[in-house]
Amino acid sequence: KQEVTQIPAALSVPEGENLVLNCSFTDSAIYNLQWFRQDPGKGLTSLLLIQSSQREQTSGRLNASLDKSSGRSTLYIAASQPGDSATYLCAVTGNTPLVFGKGTRLSVIA
Amino acid sequence: SAVISQKPSRDICQRGTSLTIQCQVDSQVTMMFWYRQQPGQSLTLIATANQGSEATYESGFVIDKFPISRPNLTFSTLTVSNMSPEDSSIYLCSAKTGASTDTQYFGPGTRLTVL
Repeated sequence: KQEVTQIPAALSVPEGENLVLNCSFTDSAIYNLQWFRQDPGKGLTSLLLIQSSQREQTSGRLNASLDKSSGRSTLYIAASQPGDSATYLCAVTGNTPLVFGKGTRLSVIA
Repeated sequence: SAVISQKPSRDICQRGTSLTIQCQVDSQVTMMFWYRQQPGQSLTLIATANQGSEATYESGFVIDKFPISRPNLTFSTLTVSNMSPEDSSIYLCSAKTGASTDTQYFGPGTRLTVL
């Protein structure tokens, strides 16, 4: 059974800092990995999707990498802003719908 | 891409009652899913909604408690039956527009509080 772990559970950084969020998964037989953002009381916003054949994806200040063989992904956020404060969820899909980690709660302090 | 809407956005219900949540997608999709997010927790898959047939439930979820319908390729409902305070959660509808390797999209969620 696929299990997804995210570290750290919470992170607080000053504005402008670069940061890395970590995600690991137990079964490397995945089709893709998605990173989502969730604001308090809201639904999910898809940030990046990495296919299993890809190594990374970039969107603006966000860069996500995937090392399928080791079961790891990272989300890099450059020059963080207070508006980046949210919970970031990592999820993987294989022969099943998305399986989620518990998320990293990010606070960017102005 | 797909835009997913849900109704209601939130509700407060009494113990023992039932609530039906509607999910509408703006385009035909191949797969639809229902997730639950309990307070402070991540998302857990309840079931895959199959068009024209019974939903496929994950371990720990049963049809009598969470009946699901999917009459066509753009619409699904989830009913939370005989509710208890433990059912207080956010319920999210999700869909894929194509192959299983495609992006999975999510609705805004329905925040349910059971008193």
